Amino acid sequence: KNEVEQSPQNLTAQEGEFITINCSYSVGISALHWLQQHPGGGIVSLFMLSSGKKKHGRLIATINIQEKHSSLHITASHPRDSAVYICAVGGTGNQFYFGTGTSLTVIP
Amino acid sequence: EPEVTQTPSHQVTQMGQEVILRCVPISNHLYFYWYRQILGQKVEFLVSFYNNEISEKSEIFDDQFSVERPDGSNFTLKIRSTKLEDSAMYFCARGDSYSYNSPLHFGNGTRLTVT
Repeated sequence: KNEVEQSPQNLTAQEGEFITINCSYSVGISALHWLQQHPGGGIVSLFMLSSGKKKHGRLIATINIQEKHSSLHITASHPRDSAVYICAVGGTGNQFYFGTGTSLTVIP
Repeated sequence: EPEVTQTPSHQVTQMGQEVILRCVPISNHLYFYWYRQILGQKVEFLVSFYNNEISEKSEIFDDQFSVERPDGSNFTLKIRSTKLEDSAMYFCARGDSYSYNSPLHFGNGTRLTVT
């Protein structure tokens, strides 16, 4: 059973394209994290959100608590955005459930 | 510079040996987490640690694993009698507070290879 489902698993885009990555979850939470994992393995926290929408540069994250769904958008994508994007949700007892990640490749 | 430093970056060990993975936060925080990621698989929660005690652990975190904060600064994950399937990337993270509403700050990870 996967508490967190991401789609698509793999995504290839041309530089400049608008990208959307989706995350659906089944556990009851009020906060969700979007993480970026670089090819070397390091993980960086992009967003933590519990409602509405957050924006940081070219990245936008939205969440709909009622529908248990979140999206990560990248505007004007660039090759340096190539990475694995991971959705993680907080469950009971301060555990985190991770999605399998979306591998994004942006081609120049 | 990462807020959380993990050492070593890569550890190779023989099956059956004990390994200690270290995590050092820059500032003095109370909330820590260990995660692991087997190659090609998703990140998995291992354990959360608050105020020098384990507060939550997953099914993966069995008697083979232990965590300590031996000197009030370093935060360690010990794996006893390593198995081949323990080969993975191990990430330490700290939180600003004890809540999944707190941002997570990850270290760069330790790649453990058990041969």
